[in-house]
Amino acid sequence: QITLTESGPTLVKPTQTLTLTCTFSGFSLNIPGVGVGWLRQPPGKALEWLALVHWNGDKRYNPSLNNRLTITKDTSRNQVVLTVANVGPVDTATYYCAHSSGDLELLRFLWFDPWGQGTLVAVSS
Amino acid sequence: IQLTQSPSSLSASVGDRVTITCRASQVIGKYFAWYQQLPGTAPKLLIYAASTLKSGFPSRFSGSGSGTDFTLTISSLQPEDVATYYCQQLNSFPWTFGQGTKVEIK
Repeated sequence: QITLTESGPTLVKPTQTLTLTCTFSGFSLNIPGVGVGWLRQPPGKALEWLALVHWNGDKRYNPSLNNRLTITKDTSRNQVVLTVANVGPVDTATYYCAHSSGDLELLRFLWFDPWGQGTLVAVSS
Repeated sequence: IQLTQSPSSLSASVGDRVTITCRASQVIGKYFAWYQQLPGTAPKLLIYAASTLKSGFPSRFSGSGSGTDFTLTISSLQPEDVATYYCQQLNSFPWTFGQGTKVEIK
């Protein structure tokens, strides 16, 4: 059974760096075709994909966040960390991490499944 | 790739057939998914590869479409289907979501 759990601060001040940790179990991030992504959802708004780290260390980011994101994986600890630099009120959201996989022959992703329960982060002074 | 999802909300009676559409700004292969987000919970994968139903979900849910136009259908709406539904493309980065469709019972 795959599970993911997000952890991090519930409140950060503007201009600070937000660091979130995703701790997972039930799969290995060394397996070809597997990834872990971060997504967020501002209160009452739609989902937004933020970043993805692949099994091979490749990283992808949403360019709309203007290079403020960094994703890293620690395979030995089964963790994926996301940092968001220079946060502002618009970064207030529930942040989710999720397992990604799909076509293991073509090594193409087809889904996020499952998701963690999410962690609500507020940005306020 | 922009995803335009419609309607943004709908209210239907139990037993009604419900259709949600998602239009992509570019052609997408099979790298398309639908998610169900029950109130106050994390999203769950509902359909992947445009038309494959995730195990555990009832067969009243179905997905179809190709190219730029995709559809999620609930053949007979049930009270437990009250949720917001999102489409997502994984064809090319940055992966994107539709704006969501909130489904309610009339």
